[in-house]
Formats: sequence, C-alpha cells, structure tokens
Amino acid sequence: NAGVTQTPKFRILKIGQSMTLQCAQDMNHNYMYWYRQDPGMGLKLIYYSVGAGITDKGEVPNGYNVSRSTTEDFPLRLELAAPSQTSVYFCASSTTGGVDTQYFGPGTRLTVL
Amino acid sequence: KQEVTQIPAALSVPEGENLVLNCSFTDSAIYNLQWFRQDPGKGLTSLLLIQSSQREQTSGRLNASLDKSSGRSTLYIAASQPGDSATYLCAVTSSGAGSYQLTFGKGTKLSVIP
Repeated sequence: NAGVTQTPKFRILKIGQSMTLQCAQDMNHNYMYWYRQDPGMGLKLIYYSVGAGITDKGEVPNGYNVSRSTTEDFPLRLELAAPSQTSVYFCASSTTGGVDTQYFGPGTRLTVL
Repeated sequence: KQEVTQIPAALSVPEGENLVLNCSFTDSAIYNLQWFRQDPGKGLTSLLLIQSSQREQTSGRLNASLDKSSGRSTLYIAASQPGDSATYLCAVTSSGAGSYQLTFGKGTKLSVIP
C-alpha cells in the first residue's frame, strides 16, 4: 500500500510556464484534496473532490485547475505560473469528508522564478 | 470564517519534560479536531482525531483534549524525547460551502534537546 503519492518532488518553473502536479492514492478513497503551504503558515485548501467527475473550489483556487477522471488520480494544473505560486503543495485523501482523518502525500516543492 | 491559532509558535524543552501545546478556534460548530505532526521536508502524519462529541483522545505518550464550547484544544506530550522534535499542526473540520473543510493553524515547532 503506497498510500498517497505525489510527483514531482521538486520543480522550478519560469513565470508564465505551465505544469501539472500529479497525485495518486491506492486506498480507494472518495475524497481528495489539494493544499498549499507557504513558509510559516498553515495549509490552505485549493481544490477538493468528493468522487470521480466531481470537483469544487477551496479557499485559494485562483490560478489552478483540477480534474478527477478516476478514483485514484487527482492532478493539479497550473496554467500560467506566477511567483505567488511558489509554495509546497500537498495532496491528501480520505474515506469520507468529515469524520475521518486525511492521509497526506509527501508534497511537491515548487519555485516560480 | 473559521480561524485556528496555535500558541506558542516555537518551543524548546529538555529531554524528559512533559509539555503542552495549545490550539484555539473561533467557530465552535466543528465536526472534529485533529493534531498532525510534520517533519522537515515531509508530509503530514495524523496523530490524534477527536470527534466533536468527545472530550479527549490518547495514543501512547500523547493526549489531546477538546473543549468545543470554549474553542480550545491541548496536546499533552509526556516524557518528551528528541524524536518528538517536529512541527505540530492543529486542524478543525467545519462545514463550508456545502462540504467539509479542514482549517489549519500555523503550527508549533517543537525542539527537544538531549
């Protein structure tokens, strides 16, 4: 059981470039989440999904897009990278939305220059 | 809007001491509260989850309490060890925009000195 996996671990982008952060889970969880963590700050929710084909915005969705075509995968797309998107990105999953814990991936450290 | 505050931001203690980390939240309408551990460069690991109907949870040397009405939680670590050094994050699950959302505090960075 790999749990929640994220690729890549590190990435440097130039302003205006695009990229996709990959996230996969093998626990058959319905709920999946994307968070960003800025230095010295707590995590903020970007997008979440309650199942394949269903996604919704979190607290800080601007500049990002998501899709959920399968239960296992939940990629996060940055279309036009900006320095403000420099952060550590965490993907998480859970069985249900509210009463159980979320399992986190190891994170992707993104720098936009 | 739910806000979560953790005090202190950083704490340094000698090995063997008992310690308490504090967490407060502004909206008492929560489903649960969780304590996570984050090691440098790593993801988050869930330590304890307290449902809104519960008062405390225990796991080994860790004990977390919840006072929902006053918007407070504490994480008690007994007989601290250098391996406990990490950042501890508190998070509450609230209902928001039609679904559950986790709101995190900024964390307490703990250093246990051998």
